[in-house]
Amino acid sequence: EDQVTQSPEALRLQEGESSSLNCSYTVSGLRGLFWYRQDPGKGPEFLFTLYSAGEEKEKERLKATLTKKESFLHITAPKPEDSATYLCAVSNNDMRFGAGTRLTVKP
Amino acid sequence: EAQVTQNPRYLITVTGKKLTVTCSQNMNHEYMSWYRQDPGLGLRQIYYSMNVEVTDKGDVPEGYKVSRKEKRNFPLILESPSPNQTSLYFCASSNRDLNTEAFFGQGTRLTVV
Repeated sequence: EDQVTQSPEALRLQEGESSSLNCSYTVSGLRGLFWYRQDPGKGPEFLFTLYSAGEEKEKERLKATLTKKESFLHITAPKPEDSATYLCAVSNNDMRFGAGTRLTVKP
Repeated sequence: EAQVTQNPRYLITVTGKKLTVTCSQNMNHEYMSWYRQDPGLGLRQIYYSMNVEVTDKGDVPEGYKVSRKEKRNFPLILESPSPNQTSLYFCASSNRDLNTEAFFGQGTRLTVV
C-alpha cells in the first residue's frame, strides 16, 4: 500500500533560521511527488512537482529535492509569512497525502 | 481563471438529514476527488473519479456517495449524516495522468449535530 510520512509534525523556527521538512514515501510507480502549502481554513496551494530522483526545484526561500525514498523541503532564512502547513503528496493510481508539517516562524 | 468551486462553504445540519456538497471545475480535468481533513489526520481521500461515470472508493468512503454524470461536476452526497462526519471537506481536480498538480476548492466546513 502506498504510504506518505511527513516529519516533524510541527516545527517552530525563528525568523532567519533555516531548516528542512521531510517526506518519506513508499509507492509503486511514482508519477510525481508534490509539495503544497496550506493556510488555515483554506485549500492547499501547489508549490512544486518532482518526477525523478535527483531532481531539485526552487521558489523564493523554498527548495525541494527528491530521492528514491524521500523528499525534502528546505526553507532558507524563513520569514513569518512562511508560517503554514506544508503537505507532501505522491501520485500513482491516485493521489495520497501525508499528514503535513505545521511550520511556525517567529519574528 | 482556473478554479474549483465548492458550495456551500459552511454548513450546519442535523443527524440524518440528507445533504449534498457541490463541486465544479472549469479546467476540463478528467480526475476529481473528495477529501476530508481532520486535525492530526491530514487529508484523507473519500472518493475519486478518473472520468465521467467512473468512480472509486478512497480510504474513508463509508457514509458517502458520489456521482460523475458530467466532466465538470462531482457532488458529494451524505445520505444520512452523523456527527463523526463533522469535518473540513475539499474537492480537487487534476489531469488524468496525475502528473501535474491538483487544484483544490476553498473547502466546506460541515458540522453535524
